[in-house]
Amino acid sequence: GAGVSQSPSNKVTEKGKDVELRCDPISGHTALYWYRQSLGQGLEFLIYFQGNSAPDKSGLPSDRFSAERTGGSVSTLTIQRTQQEDSAVYLCASSEDINSQYFGPGTRLLVL
Amino acid sequence: AQSVTQPDIHITVSEGASLELRCNYSYGATPYLFWYVQSPGQGLQLLLKYFSGDTLVQGIKGFEAEFKRSQSSFNLRKPSVHWSDAAEYFCAVGARGNKLVFGAGTILRVKS
Repeated sequence: GAGVSQSPSNKVTEKGKDVELRCDPISGHTALYWYRQSLGQGLEFLIYFQGNSAPDKSGLPSDRFSAERTGGSVSTLTIQRTQQEDSAVYLCASSEDINSQYFGPGTRLLVL
Repeated sequence: AQSVTQPDIHITVSEGASLELRCNYSYGATPYLFWYVQSPGQGLQLLLKYFSGDTLVQGIKGFEAEFKRSQSSFNLRKPSVHWSDAAEYFCAVGARGNKLVFGAGTILRVKS
């Protein structure tokens, strides 16, 4: 079946602009995760949605970052007033209940 | 707090030789352990996972890993490496259905 998809695959933006990154999880997966992969920090957890529960936002690095998940499926990660240090690969993953997380191909964000 | 250590940043092996990638974790309870592989420009692919039971787990592409509670280790092994195995490998620890904490990764180079 279809895996996790993310769009866009690449995004170049100017410092100070807002960006939206989209994730389509595997159909039927109740949990959705966002991670960030950067050269200096490795793979970092950002936010986690599980069903209708309040999301775990403990990994968001600042209040410029937010995410929502509509209808228990698609998720959008928004970065406001982007900074150069936001340049990274943003990875989305989904999972069924307690099972393994399956990752999408990522969105490569470059902030100039 | 959970943490994962992958002591080797780079490893080079000859094609056909055996491989062992090391992973040590710190976690207060019985861990859920994972190995992922990432090829250049790609997302993360799940190789194998350990939740409970048999401490030797088999994964895809001929990989296996052994959970050793006494050593807090979950080393990844392959008896005979192929050139296509060249990639970056990440060990991760997670709680039930929750965020993953990743190691820094080990880059595997395969020489012919």
